[in-house]
Order: sequence, then structure tokens, then C-alpha cells
Amino acid sequence: NAGVMQNPRHLVRRRGQEARLRCSPMKGHSHVYWYRQLPEEGLKFMVYLQKENIIDESGMPKERFSAEFPKEGPSILRIQQVVRGDSAAYFCASSPAGEDQPQHFGDGTRLSIL
Amino acid sequence: QKEVEQNSGPLSVPEGAIASLNCTYSDRGSQSFFWYRQYSGKSPELIMSIYSNGDKEDGRFTAQLNKASQYVSLLIRDSQPSDSATYLCAVCGYKLSFGAGTTVTVRA
Repeated sequence: NAGVMQNPRHLVRRRGQEARLRCSPMKGHSHVYWYRQLPEEGLKFMVYLQKENIIDESGMPKERFSAEFPKEGPSILRIQQVVRGDSAAYFCASSPAGEDQPQHFGDGTRLSIL
Repeated sequence: QKEVEQNSGPLSVPEGAIASLNCTYSDRGSQSFFWYRQYSGKSPELIMSIYSNGDKEDGRFTAQLNKASQYVSLLIRDSQPSDSATYLCAVCGYKLSFGAGTTVTVRA
């Protein structure tokens, strides 16, 4: 499967635990984006990364959320001390280098907080 | 003013009809525009991209862009029940700004 791969598909955490969401971009794509979709709401940009660099994290909450895209391995979105309001679908998208390239989405991780 | 606004819907059309979806955007410098389709509980799927003023056709889909009016639209011809989904307009600098989506239901 050459598409954007996200795992896990579903993740259940209790309040106060940590959530780690993984994303491997499409082959040949070097740009990764994370979006959040709250129930009955639209997709909201969170963060844009290239290898070893955070380019724009203007959509990330200031606390508890972090993202990385290491030289080797998948991009990770990390949520510490999760709260009920973090329950959402988290989508990763990737694109080739270059401006205005279309982004292709993974299947998402549905995060549920008990 | 929201960055990207879509006609709110929901939109119900009979099978075989044309579904017309509209989107306006606020950033006059935007250069690339996309339509995504999202089935309930699924991820967004890219169906059209358009970069230049005018029309772009792909199968039963036609995207129209008017940068002067800051307007982009999507027409779905010969609508099928399988077209029933939420359609998201997205405008790109490098990050995508999405509209809230228009839910389309095609009645058999």
C-alpha cells in the first residue's frame, strides 16, 4: 500500500494518559501535515512538518501537544495528559515538495478519551 | 470572516441531476484549490484540484475557479447515490484551509 499510513486506527485512553499517533507519508512525499476533526466539525490544521523540522505549528494547542518527523521513521503526534475534549479524528496528510501540491490523507486515528 | 465558506447545505438531488457546490475564500493571494470528498467516518479523498481561472473537467466532475471573485465551485453531473457524501472545499497556501463542508444526498 503506497498511501499515507496511520496507526493505530482507533485509540482509547483514560484521562491523564498519553496518546501517540503515527503517520508514514506516501512514498516520495517529504511534507507531512496533521489535521484534527472534532465531531460534527470541519477539519482544522494543526501542524506542518518536513524531515527534522517543524515548519508551522500555528494550529497546535500550546500545551500538551507536540509533533515530530524524525530523519528515520514515521511522524508522531503526541498528546500528553489527555482530556475528554481531545476526543476526535486525527488525520495525517502528505504531499511532495513544492508549493501548492495536493495533499493526500491517511485513514485517520479515532481517539476516544474515557 | 471565515477563510473558506461553503454553501451550507445539506443538498438533496435526485439521481441523474446536477449537484452544484459553491465555495468562497478570503485570501486573495491563494493559488491552489481542491475539492475533497469525505464519506461518513472516512478520511477526505482528493477528487479535484484547480489552479487557473476557468473550468476543469474530470469525468462527471467539473471545477470552476474565478480568482477575481474569489469563488470556486464543483458540479457533479449525472449524480449517483454513491456520490452521497460531504464535499470539502480547501484552499492552499501550504496548509489547507477547509470549508465546513456541504453534505450531498443523492436520492435514488
